[in-house]
Amino acid sequence: GAVVSQHPSWVICKSGTSVKIECRSLDFQATTMFWYRQFPKQSLMLMATSNEGSKATYEQGVEKDKFLINHASLTLSTLTVTSAHPEDSSFYICSASSKRVSPYEQYFGPGTRLTVT
Amino acid sequence: GNSVTQMEGPVTLSEEAFLTINCTYTATGYPSLFWYVQYPGEGLQLLLKATKADDKGSNKGFEATYRKETTSFHLEKGSVQVSDSAVYFCALTRNNAGNMLTFGGGTRLMVKP
Repeated sequence: GAVVSQHPSWVICKSGTSVKIECRSLDFQATTMFWYRQFPKQSLMLMATSNEGSKATYEQGVEKDKFLINHASLTLSTLTVTSAHPEDSSFYICSASSKRVSPYEQYFGPGTRLTVT
Repeated sequence: GNSVTQMEGPVTLSEEAFLTINCTYTATGYPSLFWYVQYPGEGLQLLLKATKADDKGSNKGFEATYRKETTSFHLEKGSVQVSDSAVYFCALTRNNAGNMLTFGGGTRLMVKP
C-alpha cells in the first residue's frame, strides 16, 4: 500500500516552454503533498507543500510564478514549470502523506527527470 | 531548527564487508527518524524507521537504533552486497509537525564484488 506515481518519468523540452508533472497517490487519499528538487549528487530540496484545496506553501527562494503547484484532489497534485530554462533541468520528486495511513511518514514517487534544451 | 548530518561519501566497500553510515541530528521535541535509500535514477524508498528513543529499525539486513543520549541514528549492515550500492539519506520529522522531513546530505555507497 501507499503507492505514489509520477508522470512523466522523464521529459525533454525546449527553453521557454512549460512542462507539467503529475503526482498521484494510487491507493490512499493524500492530505498533503510535497515537491522536492534534487540536483546531481545532492540531497533533496523541499520546494513546496500543498494541502488539498488550498494554495501551496513555498519554501524561501522558490519562485511561485515559475513553479505552479495545483493540488486539485486528494489523489493528484501537479507541478508546472513555466517558461523553463536550462537551469531548471533537475530531478523532481513528489511525496504524499496521510495521517490516516501514518502520522509521520511521507511516501515518495519515483521522480521525474526534466531536461531543458 | 532541525538538522541532520551524515558522513560524507562515497563509501566504498568490498562485498560482505561491514557497513556503518553515521547520522546525527538536532531537533526540538521528539522526532521520528528515518533512513531512505535511492537507487540510481529512482525516487526514495523508505528503508527503516524509529519513532522513539531506543527503538531499533530494521529491514533487509540493515539496522539503526534511535539514540537520544547521543542524538544519533547510525545505519549498519553486517554484510553488504553489490545490490546495496545506492545513496542513503538519513531524515527526521517532528511528530505532529505536518510530516515535514529534514534530510541529511546523503551518503553514496559503492560495493565492489
